[in-house]
Amino acid sequence: NAGVMQNPRHLVRRRGQEARLRCSPMKGHSHVYWYRQLPEEGLKFMVYLQKENIIDESGMPKERFSAEFPKEGPSILRIQQVVRGDSAAYFCASSPRTRQGFTGELFFGEGSRLTVL
Amino acid sequence: AQRVTQPEKLLSVFKGAPVELKCNYSYSGSPELFWYVQYSRQRLQLLLRHISRESIKGFTADLNKGETSFHLKKPFAQEEDSAMYYCALSRMDSSYKLIFGSGTRLLVRP
Repeated sequence: NAGVMQNPRHLVRRRGQEARLRCSPMKGHSHVYWYRQLPEEGLKFMVYLQKENIIDESGMPKERFSAEFPKEGPSILRIQQVVRGDSAAYFCASSPRTRQGFTGELFFGEGSRLTVL
Repeated sequence: AQRVTQPEKLLSVFKGAPVELKCNYSYSGSPELFWYVQYSRQRLQLLLRHISRESIKGFTADLNKGETSFHLKKPFAQEEDSAMYYCALSRMDSSYKLIFGSGTRLLVRP
């Protein structure tokens, strides 16, 4: 099992461009989470998705940010018209569905580092 | 609002010395607490959770509700313990949403 796969690992964009970050969860995992880490800070929750459903997007900025997890293919975090403040590491995590519910264990990808010039 | 505080950015100890990584939280309900670890060139991974009351790699952490703390301890540090450690909290009503501290880098010197 290759684990959670994120790409690209590094992305450089100029202000005003779009950034698309992809995440393939671990095999058998149906829950995907996106977290953002700014320099010198902890990871901050952005959004929780299941296939074709956004369960909780309370951590997403109201504008320019969107996320999806289609029936086929990876989850995508999309940032439109990027600004310098969007520069950060974006981590994707996945977890399995269990009868007991969420166990607290997230399986993280290696992250995508976005730099906005 | 819920918050997790890790007051130390860096903790440096010698091999064989005891280690305590501090974590304090603020939450009015009953939280679940976790420690995640990121070794060099590896992914962030779960180290332990308070509800399991287990020792992993010699590390233990006790939830102290009176002091709202969940410090991570190990009696004798090893060089391979050097890593970034994150304390995290989740709420009962949205347990999937982890609130992370800013992390403490543990450096174990030989």
